[in-house]
Amino acid sequence: TQLLEQSPQFLSIQEGENLTVYCNSSSVFSSLQWYRQEPGEGPVLLVTVVTGGEVKKLKRLTFQFGDARKDSSLHITAAQTGDTGLYLCAGGYQGGSEKLVFGKGTKLTVNP
Amino acid sequence: EPEVTQTPSHQVTQMGQEVILRCVPISNHLYFYWYRQILGQKVEFLVSFYNNEISEKSEIFDDQFSVERPDGSNFTLKIRSTKLEDSAMYFCASSPFSSRGNGYTFGSGTRLTVV
Repeated sequence: TQLLEQSPQFLSIQEGENLTVYCNSSSVFSSLQWYRQEPGEGPVLLVTVVTGGEVKKLKRLTFQFGDARKDSSLHITAAQTGDTGLYLCAGGYQGGSEKLVFGKGTKLTVNP
Repeated sequence: EPEVTQTPSHQVTQMGQEVILRCVPISNHLYFYWYRQILGQKVEFLVSFYNNEISEKSEIFDDQFSVERPDGSNFTLKIRSTKLEDSAMYFCASSPFSSRGNGYTFGSGTRLTVV
């Protein structure tokens, strides 16, 4: 069973600060996706990374896929209160599987 | 922006009853999925559906579960005889291509409460 561990589990910061959250596994994934989930809602896709070492930017968010495709990070620059939410990473299995395995998420709170 | 629509948003049912959760995926998407999330736990894969048949299912998706795409637009999840432990948020998702290298669009979910 492939597992994704996310850290930290909870993060509370002040508006304007930078932060990085991590998604780690001992397994290799074909792709890594980051989602954001609001309470009582479904996950909303932020980005997909597929190539080892790939970096993608989405405004103030920077996503990186590890060289070995086992880990990923999400960096937020100058966090805003609107960034508050649950950030989930999800890995695509290798070998033709359609299944995604999700981490438990990082609950981010940005205080004004 | 196209979205995945799920109904009902909340369903309360008695243990042992059958429930059908409904989803309307994005119209040009080809791959369809059901996931569930028990309160406070991870989002878990249940089943994937492509070309009018199940392409993959998890060990959670036992004989009590079934999926159907009855009319080319709706995608349903049926639980034949609900158990207390089936209480969870159930998310439908769709994707235009294989999930490998692509993300899903999730619906807002159906909160199923079994009493």
